[in-house]
Amino acid sequence: TQLLEQSPQFLSIQEGENLTVYCNSSSVFSSLQWYRQEPGEGPVLLVTVVTGGEVKKLKRLTFQFGDARKDSSLHITAAQPGDTGLYLCAGVGTGNQFYFGTGTSLTVIP
Amino acid sequence: EPEVTQTPSHQVTQMGQEVILRCVPISNHLYFYWYRQILGQKVEFLVSFYNNEISEKSEIFDDQFSVERPDGSNFTLKIRSTKLEDSAMYFCASSPVMYGYTFGSGTRLTVV
Repeated sequence: TQLLEQSPQFLSIQEGENLTVYCNSSSVFSSLQWYRQEPGEGPVLLVTVVTGGEVKKLKRLTFQFGDARKDSSLHITAAQPGDTGLYLCAGVGTGNQFYFGTGTSLTVIP
Repeated sequence: EPEVTQTPSHQVTQMGQEVILRCVPISNHLYFYWYRQILGQKVEFLVSFYNNEISEKSEIFDDQFSVERPDGSNFTLKIRSTKLEDSAMYFCASSPVMYGYTFGSGTRLTVV
């Protein structure tokens, strides 16, 4: 099993603040995805990163894949209450199955 | 926007009973998956399905579990004899290639 550890596990910030969520593993992944999940719903894909060192931006969200393809980060600028949710990273490991990270629960306080 | 549809949204069953969870993947997708999420825990891979056969399965996916694509549109997960610890949200996902999943909204299975 290829483990993905996310940190922090819980994050509560004020609206307008910036934050970074980390996703780390000792394993190499051929690609990595970030999802956001709301209570009672399935995860919704935000982005896929494939190349080591790749940076992708999605409005106020910036995603980076580590050079060695073992880690990734999600940076949110000027967080808004609508960003509240569970953020999951997931990496494609051996056999093309996805391994989900432990999740980061973000609460943005108005 | 195309979506993955799962039914029922909530199923309550008695321990030892068989349940079938149903999924309608996006029509032109080729890869199909089942994941589960026990309340408060991480999303766990169960099985992947491609070209009408299981391509990968996790250690969770034991002999009590089976998957089928009976009619080219539905993708089902059967649990033969449910246990209390099978209570979880079960998510179906599909993708056109090996990544880029679209998840369904899940079926909450409660075993009593």
